Amino acid sequence: KQEVTQIPAALSVPEGENLVLNCSFTDSAIYNLQWFRQDPGKGLTSLLLIQSSQREQTSGRLNASLDKSSGRSTLYIAASQPGDSATYLCAVNNYGQNFVFGPGTRLSVLP
Amino acid sequence: NAGVTQTPKFQVLKTGQSMTLQCAQDMNHEYMSWYRQDPGMGLRLIHYSVGAGITDQGEVPNGYNVSRSTTEDFPLRLLSAAPSQTSVYFCASSSRTGSGNTIYFGEGSWLTVV
Repeated sequence: KQEVTQIPAALSVPEGENLVLNCSFTDSAIYNLQWFRQDPGKGLTSLLLIQSSQREQTSGRLNASLDKSSGRSTLYIAASQPGDSATYLCAVNNYGQNFVFGPGTRLSVLP
Repeated sequence: NAGVTQTPKFQVLKTGQSMTLQCAQDMNHEYMSWYRQDPGMGLRLIHYSVGAGITDQGEVPNGYNVSRSTTEDFPLRLLSAAPSQTSVYFCASSSRTGSGNTIYFGEGSWLTVV
């Protein structure tokens, strides 16, 4: 059974700092991995999707990497801003369209 | 620009009552799913559907029922509400064409069972 963990559970950084969020999964036979952002009281917004054949994906200040063999993915946020404050979740897809989610990392970027 | 629409946003139920959470999408997506989100546990899949007339169970299906009579709608029914079903529920949809398509989520339904 696929299990997904995220470290740290919460992170607080000053504005402008670069930061890394970590995601680990137990079954490396994944179809793809997706990073989401969730604002309080809101649904999830997809940030980046990495296919199993890819090593990384970039969107603006965000860069997500994938190392299938070690069961790890990282989300790198450059030059963090207060507007980046949210919970970030990773999810892996082993088959079809069903995702297994991690518990999330709650990020606070202080002005 | 509706995307995935869930109703109601908030609901309080008494133990034993039944109710239906509504979910509709206007993107002609084949795949729809329901998740529940509990503190510290991430999102867990309740039921999903790969097309009209086809549904299947996810990780935590007990106490819930679904149907998919149209492509657009995927309601989730709580048969006899229990306090353990207090949670935030999210509906999601995606297209099955191509590989690894983005999943779109509704804004959630907060359910409290007392």
